[in-house]
Amino acid sequence: NAGVTQTPKFQVLKTGQSMTLQCAQDMNHEYMSWYRQDPGMGLRLIHYSVGAGITDQGEVPNGYNVSRSTTEDFPLRLLSAAPSQTSVYFCASSYSTGTGKMTEAFFGQGTRLTVV
Amino acid sequence: DQQVKQNSPSLSVQEGRISILNCDYTNSMFDYFLWYKKYPAEGPTFLISISSIKDKNEDGRFTVFLNKSAKHLSLHIVPSQPGDSAVYFCAARNGGGADGLTFGKGTHLIIQP
Repeated sequence: NAGVTQTPKFQVLKTGQSMTLQCAQDMNHEYMSWYRQDPGMGLRLIHYSVGAGITDQGEVPNGYNVSRSTTEDFPLRLLSAAPSQTSVYFCASSYSTGTGKMTEAFFGQGTRLTVV
Repeated sequence: DQQVKQNSPSLSVQEGRISILNCDYTNSMFDYFLWYKKYPAEGPTFLISISSIKDKNEDGRFTVFLNKSAKHLSLHIVPSQPGDSAVYFCAARNGGGADGLTFGKGTHLIIQP
């Protein structure tokens, strides 16, 4: 089982460039989410999805777009990269209990992004 | 305003002794708490969780305690082993249950031989 797969692992962008961080999971989980981790900070939620076709904003959504056309994939798009978006990005997926609440999240290995 | 707080950035413990990591929260709507372990250059790995209706959950060497009235939880690792050296994150899910997790800043646990 691959679990949650993120690509690329590393990326350097110039200010103003756009790019898409890919995330795929093979566990048939309904919930997927994107977090960023900055030095000395915990993980902060960017966007999340509770199923195909449904997305919503997290704590720090500005400058990012997401879509969820399939259960497996949840790409994160940087529209116009800024140095403040230099960070490590983690994608996660989770399944729900019978009550519809998500359980523990399974994380990918992360994408280290540098914007110069 | 930080809703999940880990006030100790680092903790050093001797191998074989008990490690106690602490976490405080402010949001009364949190109903499920989790601990994650993270090694450098890897994603966080789920360790153990506890529902707000319980006050203790055990899994092998790991025990999580929850004190709802104090809005405090702790992770106990007994005995501590060298492979436990990592950053530990406390996380919480709000009562809605579907909109992600709120994380603390993490505690770097160092196990001394």
